[in-house]
Amino acid sequence: DIQMTQSPASLSVSVGETVTITCRASENIYSNLAWYQQKQGKSPQLLVYAATNLADGVPSRFSGSGSGTQYSLKINSLQSEDFGSYYCQHFWGTPYTFGGGTKLEIK
Amino acid sequence: VQLQQSGAELVKPGASVKLSCKASGYTFTEYIIHWVKQRSGQGLEWIGWFYPGSGSIKYNEKFKDKATLTADKSSSTVYMELSRLTSEDSAVYFCARHGYYGSSPAWFAYWGQGTLVTVSA
Repeated sequence: DIQMTQSPASLSVSVGETVTITCRASENIYSNLAWYQQKQGKSPQLLVYAATNLADGVPSRFSGSGSGTQYSLKINSLQSEDFGSYYCQHFWGTPYTFGGGTKLEIK
Repeated sequence: VQLQQSGAELVKPGASVKLSCKASGYTFTEYIIHWVKQRSGQGLEWIGWFYPGSGSIKYNEKFKDKATLTADKSSSTVYMELSRLTSEDSAVYFCARHGYYGSSPAWFAYWGQGTLVTVSA
């Protein structure tokens, strides 16, 4: 199985700051990567697919990058509604696996 | 697109439970439905997928003896039965729709609201 290692596990930031979350795959996943946001008690919501493509309705302050085994999600000028947990997920074959998650909290 | 999941379940150890995920807003047979497990405060695990168009199923090896996926085309509903339940199966279970039609690998574009399963005597 492909292992997805996500970092950091948690992050305490202020509104207006910029953050970057990284995800490393245990082998090349050829940009078959998605990012999700999950608010407490809610289902995950798709943010980015195929490493760099924003899902419909996702604000442009979010961006995805990377290739091979290294990927990142960047959030510019954090807004209050951006706080929650973020997960990466590969879809380069089954089983699909997720990173351990990054919890973004207000400083 | 909407995925409406069945309500919370309280089940006894050793029993089985069947969860449902009713799809609407798109052509049911064209998109794979996935199931994902999330234990309290923890990460996400992919359980498997069901492709209504062909009836094909793919399981995560970890869950192949735990979960059984079926579907009813007439009601656009996918089901997941979990058997021989233990405390380790207490979790929220989500269904999610594939990113595009067909069975090529893709992201999870839409998610249900989740069903909480609690295993307790």
